[in-house]
Amino acid sequence: GDQVEQSPSALSLHEGTGSALRCNFTTTMRAVQWFQQNSRGSLINLFYLASGTKENGRLKSTFNSKESYSTLHIRDAQLEDSGTYFCAAEATGGNNKLTFGQGTVLSVIP
Amino acid sequence: GALVYQYPRRTICKSGTSMRMECQAVGFQATSVAWYRQSPQKTFELIALSTVNSAIKYEQNFTQEKFPISHPNLSFSSMTVLNAYLEDRGLYLCGAYWVNYAEQFFGPGTRLTVL
Repeated sequence: GDQVEQSPSALSLHEGTGSALRCNFTTTMRAVQWFQQNSRGSLINLFYLASGTKENGRLKSTFNSKESYSTLHIRDAQLEDSGTYFCAAEATGGNNKLTFGQGTVLSVIP
Repeated sequence: GALVYQYPRRTICKSGTSMRMECQAVGFQATSVAWYRQSPQKTFELIALSTVNSAIKYEQNFTQEKFPISHPNLSFSSMTVLNAYLEDRGLYLCGAYWVNYAEQFFGPGTRLTVL
């Protein structure tokens, strides 16, 4: 079955506001990556975490392997943040195989 | 920085024909390359994992006979979709990484349309 459950599937934010995306894992994951997929299909690397929290500008991500989840927080959303966001995780002993979440379609509204 | 290029960016082929796509890593050594397909519904499937000087590992439902892969050096990999049909449509992405347990960097994908 699905090992990565991502929510929400869609999210609308007004410019300047923020929210969080979440991925729950049904098996023990060794690391997680977060991507933004733009309208042309390119996957842009946002974060790679084996544990803990990382921050980059208006984005912050946390990975808790013990409790089997990861989050991506977006603050002060801008129009260019619109796109589809994916988490992808690698199971312990998974030989670098990434299992992707279902994606979150983010729309930032003026 | 680590960059991954893929070409062609998009291709259209007739049902039953084949097409080859390429993946090139720049700025790092891609000891391993993973090929994924993203369906029109946006779900991802891993096709195979390829490591230089090792056997290529195909996932269930994907075979070497249908998706032969070449990974001759640390910067280049190619995959062919043989005898393409409608169900092979999608965005084919390669994810390259340097060593085991490392961040994967993705190319922009090759979008395959089958007529």
